[in-house]
Amino acid sequence: QSVLTQPPSASGTPGQRVTISCSGSTSNIGGYTLNWYQHLPGTAPKVLIYDTSKRASGVPDRFSGSKSGTSASLTISGLQSGDEGDYYCASWDDSLVVFGGGTKLTVL
Amino acid sequence: HLQLQESGPGLVKPSETLSLTCTVSGAPISSGSYYWSWIRRPPGKGLEWIGSIHNSGSTYYNPSLKSRFTVSVDKSKNQFSLRLNSVTAADTAVYYCATVGGVTLRYGWFDPWGQGTLVKVSS
Repeated sequence: QSVLTQPPSASGTPGQRVTISCSGSTSNIGGYTLNWYQHLPGTAPKVLIYDTSKRASGVPDRFSGSKSGTSASLTISGLQSGDEGDYYCASWDDSLVVFGGGTKLTVL
Repeated sequence: HLQLQESGPGLVKPSETLSLTCTVSGAPISSGSYYWSWIRRPPGKGLEWIGSIHNSGSTYYNPSLKSRFTVSVDKSKNQFSLRLNSVTAADTAVYYCATVGGVTLRYGWFDPWGQGTLVKVSS
């Protein structure tokens, strides 16, 4: 069980907007930066959003991140078939890097 | 720009020692301020941070994985390595190397990542 809680799955149709949540506590999200990683099938994971809301180089503005207190969200607008894969939130907690359990995004 | 590539045995027997190497290209491994890191993804599970080593030599490990892991750097080869003692089937996973650069580990993010190498523990 991860200290960062994500829904195991999310889905949407092409063009829709999807939001993935990440819930934590004051010892992680509430006190440190929150990053989002995308892991598409057969590829290396890559950072999408760092420092809560900053898009990594080359990431389209369809992807956005936000945080409120001890929870964070990743929003994907204009959903595309190529977005199908796993998404992870990550932060620091006490003395280690922690990842959320991951959310499998399906594009219907 | 930095590129990372893992290499390793693919198959390891239970109780043996696993050694993985990450070759860094694009910059000297000793330059700048980087946390050279290992992360794994067991089949059907999520990502798990194993540990990191800073250019200064300081190491940081996931305490939940106990002390079976060792991360080290070989500056002469521009590589860093992961050593895991007494492997079990639970260590079967895709192992990724990655780095955090320019900020501290607690405020940083992993970028870039290697492609990953599958390690299976089986007799």
